[in-house]
Amino acid sequence: GAVVSQHPSWVICKSGTSVKIECRSLDFQATTMFWYRQFPKQSLMLMATSNEGSKATYEQGVEKDKFLINHASLTLSTLTVTSAHPEDSSFYICSANLPGGLEAFFGQGTRLTVV
Amino acid sequence: GDSVTQMEGPVTLSEEAFLTINCTYTATGYPSLFWYVQYPGEGLQLLLKATKADDKGSNKGFEATYRKETTSFHLEKGSVQVSDSAVYFCALSDRGAQKLVFGQGTRLTINP
Repeated sequence: GAVVSQHPSWVICKSGTSVKIECRSLDFQATTMFWYRQFPKQSLMLMATSNEGSKATYEQGVEKDKFLINHASLTLSTLTVTSAHPEDSSFYICSANLPGGLEAFFGQGTRLTVV
Repeated sequence: GDSVTQMEGPVTLSEEAFLTINCTYTATGYPSLFWYVQYPGEGLQLLLKATKADDKGSNKGFEATYRKETTSFHLEKGSVQVSDSAVYFCALSDRGAQKLVFGQGTRLTINP
């Protein structure tokens, strides 16, 4: 199957700083990638759809200026959490599909802790 | 909007027991339905899927049938193993879209 790699797997940062999370499709090209957030004991919630070469599409209630998404190539999307606060602490997961495919391939996730 | 409601966990069973994890959905169109599994320390991976009514998805002894009349996609396995211990997510995607709507996840623990 296709492989999606996410980095880092965990990060601790201070309040007010920014953190970048990378999502790479290792053996296929992905014009679209998806970013999800998972709160403890809750489901994965879609944050945004990352589109290669164009602006990301954000879900309702997600702050665009806080969660910056850049999809500069067909194999890389980045999520930057700007001016992080403790309430941004969460598990962030990316996914991508093969072109036209139904199955989503997920990265390993990134545990963000803001102190 | 679309939503998925999944049986609350955690669920603890003994090895070789029968497993059912309930999942129901709400969707405006004709979604595709999925079960994803997350083993300890790993990312989510597809367990099985069904794309239209009455389809049955199956993999690794797990089965789920797309029931349009009851808007359900319950996961079943006849005899679970310790290695099945994981978190299971029911999910849907609207026809033509790749983004997923997830249920809340069910943590399954199988004791030897």
